[in-house]
Amino acid sequence: AQSVTQLGSHVSVSEGALVLLRCNYSSSVPPYLFWYVQYPNQGLQLLLKYTTGATLVKGINGFEAEFKKSETSFHLTKPSAHMSDAAEYFCAVTISGGYNKLIFGAGTRLAVHP
Amino acid sequence: GAVVSQHPSRVICKSGTSVKIECRSLDFQATTMFWYRQFPKKSLMLMATSNEGSKATYEQGVEKDKFLINHASLTLSTLTVTSAHPEDSSFYICSAIDGTEAFFGQGTRLTVV
Repeated sequence: AQSVTQLGSHVSVSEGALVLLRCNYSSSVPPYLFWYVQYPNQGLQLLLKYTTGATLVKGINGFEAEFKKSETSFHLTKPSAHMSDAAEYFCAVTISGGYNKLIFGAGTRLAVHP
Repeated sequence: GAVVSQHPSRVICKSGTSVKIECRSLDFQATTMFWYRQFPKKSLMLMATSNEGSKATYEQGVEKDKFLINHASLTLSTLTVTSAHPEDSSFYICSAIDGTEAFFGQGTRLTVV
């Protein structure tokens, strides 16, 4: 069985500060890992994903995440927060070797203050 | 990227009536689509996997007779909430798979009064 834990349901940063959103996963098989962003009353937009290969993946809007197998983590970072980054962020996992259902974490609401 | 269109974006219905939500993959074919439910300030809960040409696979605890899913073509899946009650009010989101990526619809805000 797979699961995702996002540490911190709310994260608040100042504009220009580092953004760090934490995600740990549990999977008995090699995982595919994803970060999605959701704005109010909208669907989800993919920020980035890890399937195979390079463990540091870069996504849209300046976000990146690093797959660390030894720590079972896939934390999302951005060097400098922008006001427009305020949203809900979801980490998700599925099994590798073919697409399967996504299991989502509880989500982290990011607030960005001027 | 691929586009998934979900309709309607908002619907208000009376208790006891049925509501149909459509999920379309606009520029790709999707043999598998997923339906999620999202409660306020909560994560997405997978309700069911919609398989083209066959019966949907429901997650544990989801009433298949209340949430009817039909995947009649490679570009369309529908979710019908039957005999809706206020507790069915929620945000419903569909997704379709294109390759190794899931694309999501815009979501449907259902309010049952």
